[in-house]
Amino acid sequence: GNSVTQMEGPVTLSEEAFLTINCTYTATGYPSLFWYVQYPGEGLQLLLKATKADDKGSNKGFEATYRKETTSFHLEKGSVQVSDSAVYFCALPPNRDDKIIFGKGTRLHILP
Amino acid sequence: ETGVTQSPTHLIKTRGQQVTLRCSSQSGHNTVSWYQQALGQGPQFIFQYYREEENGRGNFPPRFSGLQFPNYSSELNVNALELDDSALYLCASSLAGVGNTIYFGEGSWLTVV
Repeated sequence: GNSVTQMEGPVTLSEEAFLTINCTYTATGYPSLFWYVQYPGEGLQLLLKATKADDKGSNKGFEATYRKETTSFHLEKGSVQVSDSAVYFCALPPNRDDKIIFGKGTRLHILP
Repeated sequence: ETGVTQSPTHLIKTRGQQVTLRCSSQSGHNTVSWYQQALGQGPQFIFQYYREEENGRGNFPPRFSGLQFPNYSSELNVNALELDDSALYLCASSLAGVGNTIYFGEGSWLTVV
């Protein structure tokens, strides 16, 4: 079945550091791919998405490129801020199973 | 701002009690899903409703039940609460269809004591 694997956290970086959170997926066909972010004490927000191979999703300085050949959708940001501290979830949208397949989440701590 | 609103935001219940959580979906969205997120874990799918009918269910016991109303708003009911039901309950709405974006509410924090 479909699945998502993302790097374990927590990840701790200093402000202005470069961020990569790895995500790989297993799925039939070519699904859309999402990154969701959850700030402390809040629900999930869609951060960015890509709908087909080689698409690049971007938002708030974050980027992720849909790589069909490596079945990956790694999240990157060139210069992180303290306000980026949150939990990040890579996700596959529903197909016939009607549920989002989430990765386990990666907690990110940014130190000032 | 996702357009999905949930209530209440926080509540405390006693083991054995019943709880009803409510969700107002984004305008025009006909599909509502509920997820349970325990502390430090990823969201787990409870069930989905499409046009007032249950359209998929995760690995949750029957004491978790739901409703969707003609205006597409939804309720999650949990009977005979257990301590392990303490979690953040997330409502998500979307238009039916593969690949459509799914929008989440802020969630309802349930504590069972």
